[in-house]
Amino acid sequence: SQELEQSPQSLIVQEGKNLTINCTSSKTLYGLYWYKQKYGEGLIFLMMLQKGGEEKSHEKITAKLDEKKQQSSLHITASQPSHAGIYLCGADRETSGSRLTFGEGTQLTVNP
Amino acid sequence: GAVVSQHPSRVICKSGTSVKIECRSLDFQATTMFWYRQFPKQSLMLMATSNEGSKATYEQGVEKDKFLINHASLTLSTLTVTSAHPEDSSFYICSAREARLLSSYNEQFFGPGTRLTVL
Repeated sequence: SQELEQSPQSLIVQEGKNLTINCTSSKTLYGLYWYKQKYGEGLIFLMMLQKGGEEKSHEKITAKLDEKKQQSSLHITASQPSHAGIYLCGADRETSGSRLTFGEGTQLTVNP
Repeated sequence: GAVVSQHPSRVICKSGTSVKIECRSLDFQATTMFWYRQFPKQSLMLMATSNEGSKATYEQGVEKDKFLINHASLTLSTLTVTSAHPEDSSFYICSAREARLLSSYNEQFFGPGTRLTVL
């Protein structure tokens, strides 16, 4: 069974619009990572969250981890075509930190 | 930032042949490297964890005799797909974890991936 659920699976927005991608786990997460991937390319690290209630921002992207550390959201403000790609959440399930489990990904298209 | 390279970026081979993919950490030492496989429109699936100087740890369902992993140095891990078949065609991505980060912090740096096509 899928351990991390991402929603939506795909998202098409108009340039300038805000959007949110969610990542949910049924178990407590020790670390939650957000990556961006262009099709056929490697992953680009965006942000990592560890503490319940933590929130981080970089440029127009904000990621949050809920207090229970079971759900994270990635919010993009005033989206640009450069934001298009596949967004993946990855999670640590162990305090020793080693193996990452990934969600199915969200395909984002931003129309100019 | 930390850079991980993969070689080759793309390879086409005949069924039954073996293919080696290299993963290198260019500006840092990596005690642990990971190998993932990604099928079209699917997420990354961890195949194995490669530790420098020891045997790789394979995920359930991954054949260790088919996917040979060698992590001979702190900057190089190789994945060899032996007796490749068309169903092995996929996008293979490696990642590396920096050696100096010993806490639970698990930032991994990903390579650009290798597209394998088996005819």
